[in-house]
Amino acid sequence: GNSVTQMEGPVTLSEEAFLTINCTYTATGYPSLFWYVQYPGEGLQLLLKATKADDKGSNKGFEATYRKETTSFHLEKGSVQVSDSAVYFCALMDQGGSEKLVFGKGTKLTVNP
Amino acid sequence: NAGVTQTPKFRVLKTGQSMTLLCAQDMNHEYMYWYRQDPGMGLRLIHYSVGEGTTAKGEVPDGYNVSRLKKQNFLLGLESAAPSQTSVYFCASRPPTGYRQPQHFGDGTRLSIL
Repeated sequence: GNSVTQMEGPVTLSEEAFLTINCTYTATGYPSLFWYVQYPGEGLQLLLKATKADDKGSNKGFEATYRKETTSFHLEKGSVQVSDSAVYFCALMDQGGSEKLVFGKGTKLTVNP
Repeated sequence: NAGVTQTPKFRVLKTGQSMTLLCAQDMNHEYMYWYRQDPGMGLRLIHYSVGEGTTAKGEVPDGYNVSRLKKQNFLLGLESAAPSQTSVYFCASRPPTGYRQPQHFGDGTRLSIL
């Protein structure tokens, strides 16, 4: 079945550091890929998405490129801020009738000033 | 613009008690989902619905029941709560058109079973 594997955290960085959170997936067909962010005490918010190979999703300085050849969707940001501290989830949406999301286990990011 | 609203936000139950979690969305979305979030496990799908009057099982459906009597509401029931059901529960919804559209999430219900 479909699955998502993302790097285990927690990840601790200093402000203005470069961020990479790795995400790889296993799926049949051509899934859509998403990154969701969860701030403390809140629900999940869509951060960015990509719907086909070589698509790049971007938002709030974050980027991720849909790489079909390596089945990856790594999240990157050039200069993190304290306000980026959150849990980040990689997810894929299958092409079945329900369009269910399959999530990775999440990566907690803490950015220190 | 309320989006997806979950009620209640917190609840403590004793083992064996029953309760219902309510999810309401005002975006006229067809598809709705219930997930549970546990430490180190990510989010796992409990049940989902592709339209009013329909429900289906997800990855971890045991011990839960759901109903979708109205398009805007999706109820999650625990008939006899167990400590293993202590978790944070999230509801989500999405439109059916453009199947690659993302899901919109509520803020969650934190449930503790003693």
